[in-house]
Amino acid sequence: AQSVTQPDIHITVSEGASLELRCNYSYGATPYLFWYVQSPGQGLQLLLKYFSGDTLVQGIKGFEAEFKRSQSSFNLRKPSVHWSDAAEYFCAVASFGNEKLTFGTGTRLTIIP
Amino acid sequence: KAGVTQTPRYLIKTRGQQVTLSCSPISGHRSVSWYQQTPGQGLQFLFEYFSETQRNKGNFPGRFSGRQFSNSRSEMNVSTLELGDSALYLCASSTDRANTEAFFGQGTRLTVV
Repeated sequence: AQSVTQPDIHITVSEGASLELRCNYSYGATPYLFWYVQSPGQGLQLLLKYFSGDTLVQGIKGFEAEFKRSQSSFNLRKPSVHWSDAAEYFCAVASFGNEKLTFGTGTRLTIIP
Repeated sequence: KAGVTQTPRYLIKTRGQQVTLSCSPISGHRSVSWYQQTPGQGLQFLFEYFSETQRNKGNFPGRFSGRQFSNSRSEMNVSTLELGDSALYLCASSTDRANTEAFFGQGTRLTVV
């Protein structure tokens, strides 16, 4: 069964600092990987996705993620965070033929001035 | 282009009652998935519909059911409500395969008292 681990429940960074959110997945074949962001009281917005090809994917809002098969990881990065990036971030995995998304438990990001 | 619309946004029900939640997908999208989000269990897949057929189902009791209409709008129903059913219920739509790019609505916040 596919699973996702986000080891960091809560991360605090200063505005303007760099950010890396960790995501590890467990799946036998090549997974489809996603990062979603959720602001309080809102639904989920897709930041970026990986299906195949280039292992470094660019997303919206200046985010990028790198797929590392050897480490079963898909970490999210941003070189300089803005106060508006404060939210909860979810990593998710899916696969061809399996229509459900399996989500990690999320990482809450706090930005300090 | 309008996004995914979920109604109502907030709902308060009493234990033992039943509830119906509605989801209107993005125009042209034929796949609709439902997720339950709680602080304790996180985001969990309920079911997915495509062209009025349930294509995948999560591990929820039979009290949770859904359907999809010919215009792709979907409803989910929860019968005999329990306190533990209190959650944010999220609907996501996609063009074809739900595991490629899902667009989420803002959710329906259900409180069972």
